[in-house]
Amino acid sequence: EPEVTQTPSHQVTQMGQEVILRCVPISNHLYFYWYRQILGQKVEFLVSFYNNEISEKSEIFDDQFSVERPDGSNFTLKIRSTKLEDSAMYFCASSEGSSGGYLSSYNEQFFGPGTRLTVL
Amino acid sequence: QKEVEQDPGPLSVPEGAIVSLNCTYSNSAFQYFMWYRQYSRKGPELLMYTYSSGNKEDGRFTAQVDKSSKYISLFIRDSQPSDSATYLCAMSAWGGSQGNLIFGKGTKLSVKP
Repeated sequence: EPEVTQTPSHQVTQMGQEVILRCVPISNHLYFYWYRQILGQKVEFLVSFYNNEISEKSEIFDDQFSVERPDGSNFTLKIRSTKLEDSAMYFCASSEGSSGGYLSSYNEQFFGPGTRLTVL
Repeated sequence: QKEVEQDPGPLSVPEGAIVSLNCTYSNSAFQYFMWYRQYSRKGPELLMYTYSSGNKEDGRFTAQVDKSSKYISLFIRDSQPSDSATYLCAMSAWGGSQGNLIFGKGTKLSVKP
């Protein structure tokens, strides 16, 4: 069964360093997302990406964050200068596309296993 | 008022019990209501979704949505140890891929043999 993969599974970095988290979405999917989950907190939406541009972003997704689809398979999240509060589990997700026009249809977002980011 | 509220538990039940999980929400724009299951060290996995109000059944799982009360529930019948996981409710105003998900905090469920 196709799945979203993420690397690395755990990333440890020093405050102020840049990190790049990598994701390989499911191959025929067109929409890509990043979510994060701080320990003990809710899963929070960061950004969605479609057709090589950001379609929506949350207040969390400030200038320190950027996303890129550098080739036909990878989707990356870059944090330019990490802060202690960036420590969290980061989940990548992907979905096929539109719901097909049916109001009652939901286009499932498939989540990867996550990358645990620890900022020291 | 927080957008989506979910009792984090933990909830511990004996095998075979009926489990009731629920969430409340404040945003009346939500139309799509999802339940995700998350095992330790894994990403969330969709269990079921419901559009607008009503019930939906899938095997041992039943999802209920009451939009008038802004209250959703997930019932698990004949619970099994393999159901032990964290259950996350999630909501969206959109069913298409443009809809970002708003999650509850998750309820950790343990089913004891």
